[in-house]
Amino acid sequence: QQQVKQSPQSLIVQKGGISIINCAYENTAFDYFPWYQQFPGKGPALLIAIRPDVSEKKEGRFTISFNKSAKQFSLHIMDSQPGDSATYFCAASMYGTSGSRLTFGEGTQLTVNP
Amino acid sequence: DAGITQSPRHKVTETGTPVTLRCHQTENHRYMYWYRQDPGHGLRLIHYSYGVKDTDKGEVSDGYSVSRSKTEDFLLTLESATSSQTSVYFCATTPGQAYEQYFGPGTRLTVT
Repeated sequence: QQQVKQSPQSLIVQKGGISIINCAYENTAFDYFPWYQQFPGKGPALLIAIRPDVSEKKEGRFTISFNKSAKQFSLHIMDSQPGDSATYFCAASMYGTSGSRLTFGEGTQLTVNP
Repeated sequence: DAGITQSPRHKVTETGTPVTLRCHQTENHRYMYWYRQDPGHGLRLIHYSYGVKDTDKGEVSDGYSVSRSKTEDFLLTLESATSSQTSVYFCATTPGQAYEQYFGPGTRLTVT
């Protein structure tokens, strides 16, 4: 059962444009929502994360918007640059006695054209 | 990369052979995880460890076993490799009482 759905699968944006990637989750027990960035041949790297008691978090050009009632969250990349071209994964987690287990979305391949 | 190394980085093996992948961390993180990454599926949790000798199954654990005899090493074993286990395998770690997971560089495994 896929508990985190991500869209779109791929996205092409012009340099300077806004990239938007959306995710929806099912389990209301999730309490941590990170985004990971992955370049080819590398492991995923934590980009930005949000807790459900906050509706928006901004770090530089990257913003997470969170809608708890709709069980949706999105990543906005402002002023997209060719160096942002990568695969982006949303995830959701809940913390328990055995640590934090992440459930990932399917991934979005972002291409930023110069 | 939070001091995480994986070995080997690439491996080709034949169907039916056992394979062991190693994850080594230098950060003394308590929690360690094994994921597999396949197109269209994101990353899926295979097994995880919450301490030395303490492990549990993830969502795709069939055909895999793990062991953790010391804090810094987490081994993933494919008991009898199948072509469906061709994938990229990532190890991740988390410090105690934290949510953030830090990933290693991955191992590309091909089962022929």
